[in-house]
Order: sequence, then structure tokens, then C-alpha cells
Amino acid sequence: DAKTTQPNSMESNEEEPVHLPCNHSTISGTDYIHWYRQLPSQGPEYVIHGLTSNVNNRMASLAIAEDRKSSTLILHRATLRDAAVYYCILRSTGANSKLTFGKGITLSVRP
Amino acid sequence: DAGVIQSPRHEVTEMGQEVTLRCKLISGHNSLFWYRQTMMRGLELLIYFNNNVPIDDSGMPEDRFSAKMPNASFSTLKIQPSEPRDSAVYFCASSLSAGVDTGELFFGEGSRLTVL
Repeated sequence: DAKTTQPNSMESNEEEPVHLPCNHSTISGTDYIHWYRQLPSQGPEYVIHGLTSNVNNRMASLAIAEDRKSSTLILHRATLRDAAVYYCILRSTGANSKLTFGKGITLSVRP
Repeated sequence: DAGVIQSPRHEVTEMGQEVTLRCKLISGHNSLFWYRQTMMRGLELLIYFNNNVPIDDSGMPEDRFSAKMPNASFSTLKIQPSEPRDSAVYFCASSLSAGVDTGELFFGEGSRLTVL
């Protein structure tokens, strides 16, 4: 499986935008970039995913570099509830592909 | 709609006892994943199924662990005999996988297992 590299942690201020980086220099053409997050004492939850183009949904935006070797998850206005571990994961196409979690990045949000 | 339902939420048992964790998939989903989470090792994929068929069980620690899908909406993860090092939070997740763009995974709330 192609691997991702994320910083261990990041701090942000409430109501400010947050940019969470992810490097995936060995990404293959069939790998989707997925982001999940895990709030304290909960199971992981899906945030967003994309292949080549930038993606937006109600939770966040995903900006994908043109060479696809890096991506950035953007939370437009951080809230205290966004404090969590965020995982950037590569998942290949096809019904039998698996989702393998790394260590993720721990986001802290200051009031 | 009900999400992924796991039971029990908490289990405390003694070393050597059999443990069975249960998972009910979201209706209509066809893929099932079992994960284990510890502080030391993070989230580990144990096994996953697609259309009731085990696809990859390379993450199952050893023969003491077994997982089944007796029907399309239900799965069990069994540990026999249990050991203290099996203490962890066990998550199951389901998804609807079809075609090239695989679906998002929906996770249950987890089963916290403590083996004394």
C-alpha cells in the first residue's frame, strides 16, 4: 500500500481556517485520497475523498496538488468539536480495496 | 436510519475465556471491516469481507481470532482463548462498494474489551 506522511499534531484557533497537510509521494494512478477523523471516544468518521480534482462538501474541502503527491484538508472555520485525529489514507479503486489507517494528525482547537 | 450497531459496548473477561463481538451492518451495505485500536498500535485492520466473502484476513493476529458473516447483515469476531494483550477497542465498519469509486466506511461505536 502506498503510504502517507502527516505531521504529528497541529493547533488552531476557533473560528479560523485550518489546513491539514498530507504527503503521498508514492501515490499510484488508481489511488483515491481519503480523509477520516476520529473524535475522542468515538469511531472514525468519513470526511471527504477525491482523486484528482479539488472536492468540497459540507464538512471540509480537499485540495489536491497537480502531481497528486500531496493534498490538504481544509476546515473553513474550526470549532471546538473539530478537535480530533485526522487520517489521510490512500485507497485503491475497486470493490475489494481496503482502508489502512496510519497515525494521523492530532488537531487541537483553542477557544 | 440506524448506523452500524456493535455489541457489547464493554466487555470485561478473564484470560482464557471466549469472547464474541457482534456487528450489524447498515442495511444494503455489502462490505464489512473489523479493526482493532490500541494506544500502542493505533487502528489496525484485522479482516474485511465483500459480499460475505473474506477478502483479506492478513491482519488477524493469530488462530485465536476468527471472524464470520453468517448472513449479509451480521458479523461476529471471536477470540478463543482470550489473552490480556487482546485488550483493545474493536470497531466494525460497513460500506457499499460498487464499481471503481469505493464507498465511504461507516463505523460503529466500538466494543471495548478488557481481558484480565
